[in-house]
Amino acid sequence: AQSVTQLGSHVSVSEGALVLLRCNYSSSVPPYLFWYVQYPNQGLQLLLKYTTGATLVKGINGFEAEFKKSETSFHLTKPSAHMSDAAEYFCAVILNTPLVFGKGTRLSVIA
Amino acid sequence: DAGVIQSPRHEVTEMGQEVTLRCKPISGHNSLFWYRQTMMRGLELLIYFNNNVPIDDSGMPEDRFSAKMPNASFSTLKIQPSEPRDSAVYFCASSPRDRGSYGYTFGSGTRLTVV
Repeated sequence: AQSVTQLGSHVSVSEGALVLLRCNYSSSVPPYLFWYVQYPNQGLQLLLKYTTGATLVKGINGFEAEFKKSETSFHLTKPSAHMSDAAEYFCAVILNTPLVFGKGTRLSVIA
Repeated sequence: DAGVIQSPRHEVTEMGQEVTLRCKPISGHNSLFWYRQTMMRGLELLIYFNNNVPIDDSGMPEDRFSAKMPNASFSTLKIQPSEPRDSAVYFCASSPRDRGSYGYTFGSGTRLTVV
C-alpha cells in the first residue's frame, strides 16, 4: 500500500526566504501526487498535482513541486515566502486506494 | 459551482447524544469521501461512496459511526452515541472518481466537540 512521509512537522522561514517542504512516498509504482494547503479553520485546497509528463509542476500562489522517481520524492518549493503562506501543507498520494495524506507540515513565516 | 457544502460548521454536543453531519457534493461527482482530522492521527479516511454505494468503510472507528448516501446530492455521517474522543474536524470531499488524477474537492469541515 502506498504511504507518504512529510519530513518536519513544523517549518519556519523568514519573509522573502525560500520555502522547502519535503515529501517522500512509498510505492512500487509511481503514484499520482498532490499537495494541499489548509488555512486556519478552513478546508483543504489543492495547490498542485503530478500525474504524468513534466516532472516540474507549477501550482497556485507561486508554489511548484518536482517529482523525482529515483528519490521517490515530491518536494514543494516557493522562491520567496509571503506572510500569507502561513498554513498547514499536506502531501498526498493516490494509486490503488483513495487519497492518502501525510501528517502535514505547518509553515510559519516570520516578518 | 458552490463547491462541497457541509453543515453544520460547528457542533457542540453532550456525551451520549446523537450527532448528524451533512454533506452536499459537487454536482456530477461520482465519489464522496468522509475524512476525520485530529492532532494525533492526522487525516483519516472513514468511508467512501461510488455512485451512492458504500465501497469501503474500514476506516469507521466503531459501530457507533454510520454513513449514508441516499442520493447523488446528499450524504450523512452519524455518531450515536457520541463520546468525547469523537471530537475532531470532519471533512467531506467529492471527486469525479475515487482514483486517478482528479484529486478531491473538500468542504470547509464540521468541527465537532463532545463534552
